[in-house]
Amino acid sequence: NAGVTQTPKFQVLKTGQSMTLQCAQDMNHNSMYWYRQDPGMGLRLIYYSASEGTTDKGEVPNGYNVSRLNKREFSLRLESAAPSQTSVYFCASRPKKDGVNEQYFGPGTRLTVT
Amino acid sequence: SQQGEEDPQALSIQEGENATMNCSYKTSINNLQWYRQNSGRGLVHLILIRSNEREKHSGRLRVTLDTSKKSSSLLITASRAADTASYFCATARSGNTPLVFGKGTRLSVIA
Repeated sequence: NAGVTQTPKFQVLKTGQSMTLQCAQDMNHNSMYWYRQDPGMGLRLIYYSASEGTTDKGEVPNGYNVSRLNKREFSLRLESAAPSQTSVYFCASRPKKDGVNEQYFGPGTRLTVT
Repeated sequence: SQQGEEDPQALSIQEGENATMNCSYKTSINNLQWYRQNSGRGLVHLILIRSNEREKHSGRLRVTLDTSKKSSSLLITASRAADTASYFCATARSGNTPLVFGKGTRLSVIA
């Protein structure tokens, strides 16, 4: 199993450009998450999908949209990138929608907006 | 806002020593988890403790949970240079809510 994969690994955007970060998991997990991590900060939740067909806002959703394309894939879109969105983005998945279980993380996408 | 706050923010110890990191949180929880992040990598799950548990062990890791004080500690015994990483606590208010992460403790183990 590849686990949780993210593409691209690195990206540089100009202010106002758009892009989609891709995430896929091959573990048949129900829940998927997008976080951002800024220097000196922990992870802050952007959006999550508790199960296929549902998405919900997290702590910092402004400026982002998500799509749960199917059970495997959960994408994050920046419609008009801003320098404040420079960050490292992590996707994660969790086996079950309910119950006590841990999250599995991808390797991250390092995004710079100039 | 972050639910958990780790203390200290940074910790530097010699190889072979024990490392203790603390986490405090604000609201009632269903479970608390600890994760490790090596530089430039994603987070890796280390250990999970439920709200009705007081202590758990996994290899060289020992986690305690005091729900009355809303705090947890992670002890790494006989540390190794390979333990150098950032450590994060994360809490879940219920079984189906997302984890909320603290800001982490940066551990440096010097050989």
